[in-house]
Amino acid sequence: QVQLVESGGGVVQPGGSLRLSCATSGFIFSTYGMYWVRQAPGKGLEWVAFIWYDGTNKYYADSIKGRFAISRDDSKNTLYLQMDSLRGEDTAVYYCARDQRMSLPGPYYFDYWGQGTLVTVSS
Amino acid sequence: ETVLTQSPATLSLSPGERATLSCRASQSVSTYFAWYQQKSGQPPRLLIYDVSHRATGVPARFSGSGSGTDFTLTISSLEPEDFAVYYCQQRDNWPLTFGGGTKVEIK
Repeated sequence: QVQLVESGGGVVQPGGSLRLSCATSGFIFSTYGMYWVRQAPGKGLEWVAFIWYDGTNKYYADSIKGRFAISRDDSKNTLYLQMDSLRGEDTAVYYCARDQRMSLPGPYYFDYWGQGTLVTVSS
Repeated sequence: ETVLTQSPATLSLSPGERATLSCRASQSVSTYFAWYQQKSGQPPRLLIYDVSHRATGVPARFSGSGSGTDFTLTISSLEPEDFAVYYCQQRDNWPLTFGGGTKVEIK
């Protein structure tokens, strides 16, 4: 079965950095685009970043552009989100999610989600 | 940016009743539109994609309709497990955006 497991969250000071990981299994990782989506405490969903299945294109929300970077390691079936220059408004649960369609440029829809990892930016 | 506005913010209904949730887009998103369900403490779940296609395993009581800027999610007869928050989402243009959510609560 498809599984997505995020890790790497925690408490970090403003201006600090974190790298989130999303370990996947149950599908051919290299054939799917992947997303990061976040949810601030008690708030709605916000798309953060998307990477094509082949890694050739990446897209970012304006709120994190230039500070966050999405990447993938197909040899490890793992998705990453490097987060630099963190701010208080980046505090959220970060979910990784799979794109719905295989071997297509996307975006399509978020068909499988991990349980999320909490990032807290606070001094 | 395409802003998605969901209404109502909260819907108070009893099990067995029909639920009608709305989402309006600030510009046309064609049929590139989806609905998600999120229960407390859980990640979202894809319910409906491309306006009206049910995702794998989604019961037939869930249906979607609409096009362009106005979309509707209907739950024909609420089951206890349907009380949750529902989000709409568009993929027509960047950035991908979600609506603010509609909470369906037990009356």
